[in-house]
Amino acid sequence: DAKTTQPPSMDCAEGRAANLPCNHSTISGNEYVYWYRQIHSQGPQYIIHGLKNNETNEMASLIITEDRKSSTLILPHATLRDTAVYYCIVSYHDMRFGAGTRLTVKP
Amino acid sequence: DTGVSQDPRHKITKRGQNVTFRCDPISEHNRLYWYRQTLGQGPEFLTYFQNEAQLEKSRLLSDRFSAERPKGSFSTLEIQRTEQGDSAMYLCASSTSRDRIPYEQYFGPGTRLTVT
Repeated sequence: DAKTTQPPSMDCAEGRAANLPCNHSTISGNEYVYWYRQIHSQGPQYIIHGLKNNETNEMASLIITEDRKSSTLILPHATLRDTAVYYCIVSYHDMRFGAGTRLTVKP
Repeated sequence: DTGVSQDPRHKITKRGQNVTFRCDPISEHNRLYWYRQTLGQGPEFLTYFQNEAQLEKSRLLSDRFSAERPKGSFSTLEIQRTEQGDSAMYLCASSTSRDRIPYEQYFGPGTRLTVT
């Protein structure tokens, strides 16, 4: 049962910020928002996670709305190597992946 | 530390045969997860271990599937009497958990199974 809704695909110009949205209106109080990505033929790669507050690491920023019903993953300067399927997951510990968003970074 | 490793990377087998896959997690990680991924879909959760205890199994894990983690380190996933529908990528992931708070999962490269 999908707990998240993501657009199936997005394009982004190389060097620009990529903003990937995710809706999770049924998120529970103890569930975290996780983002992973999967580059073709590889295992998923962890990007970032958060509970309530916005988070930033060397890969990306995560913006969570105050009501926690949606979030946005921001890749500040997208490169061609960021082309991948991006998964937004709300969970306490087990990751239930949906179909994700296929991000294509174009030169 | 070389991350999560899986063996073999590819397996081709005939319908009805048994197959076994191995996963070696990151050494200090106490949690280990198995997932299955078919073409065009996201990974589907199969089961997970905390140390040697198998704590949760998905209904996707039919009685032909069995997973073990005997010493709380590496894990094996066995599929008996394989069917063509078992063809998929089998992914293993590991994580740590402290104070009942989960941490991010690190995935291996997967084992691609083809049943002919």
